[in-house]
Amino acid sequence: EVQLAESGGGLVQPGGSLRLSCAASGFTFSSHSMNWVRQAPGKGLEWLSHISGSGSTIYYAESVKGRFTISRDNAKNSLYLQINSLRDEDTAVYYCAITAESGVRNWFDPWGQGTLVTVSS
Amino acid sequence: DIQMTQSPSSLSASIGDRVTITCRASQSIGSYLNWYQQKPGKAPKILIFAAYSLQRGVPSRFSGSGSGTDFTLTISSLQPEDFATYYCQQSYTTLWTFGQGTKVEIK
Repeated sequence: EVQLAESGGGLVQPGGSLRLSCAASGFTFSSHSMNWVRQAPGKGLEWLSHISGSGSTIYYAESVKGRFTISRDNAKNSLYLQINSLRDEDTAVYYCAITAESGVRNWFDPWGQGTLVTVSS
Repeated sequence: DIQMTQSPSSLSASIGDRVTITCRASQSIGSYLNWYQQKPGKAPKILIFAAYSLQRGVPSRFSGSGSGTDFTLTISSLQPEDFATYYCQQSYTTLWTFGQGTKVEIK
């Protein structure tokens, strides 16, 4: 069974940093590109970043470029998101998700259960 | 970035009703459109990919249609477990974007 488990969330002061992790199991991790998506309380979904299976191709949403860094360790079946200079508006549940593909089509499936990041002084 | 706009933002419906949610893209995206369902406190779940392809295990009362800029998610006969928030997502570019969501509530 494919499983994704995020961790690393918590309460952080504005200006602080955090590294989120996503532990993957049940599939060949290095063969799949991965994503981070967040959801602020009571709000919609916001795609943040994508990394290819090898880690050689990375994309970021404009809103987080320069502050967020995605990475992966295929030997550890783990995905990471480093978040720097945290702001109040970064408060959200952060999800990791696999990029599922069929030909040139892609979608996110499955998703982890999410980890909550709260930015507050 | 491609903007995705869903309508309505919320709707109230009864069990057995036919429900239609629309999603409009700010530019043509072909059929690169996905639909997700999210229940409170849970992660989103894929329902339909590539505009009309039903994900394995998803009930056939869900269907998707459209291409270009205008898309529709239809629930043919609303069931109690369908009360949730639905999101569209474009995968035309590698800067994926979601619609703002449509909350389906019980009337």
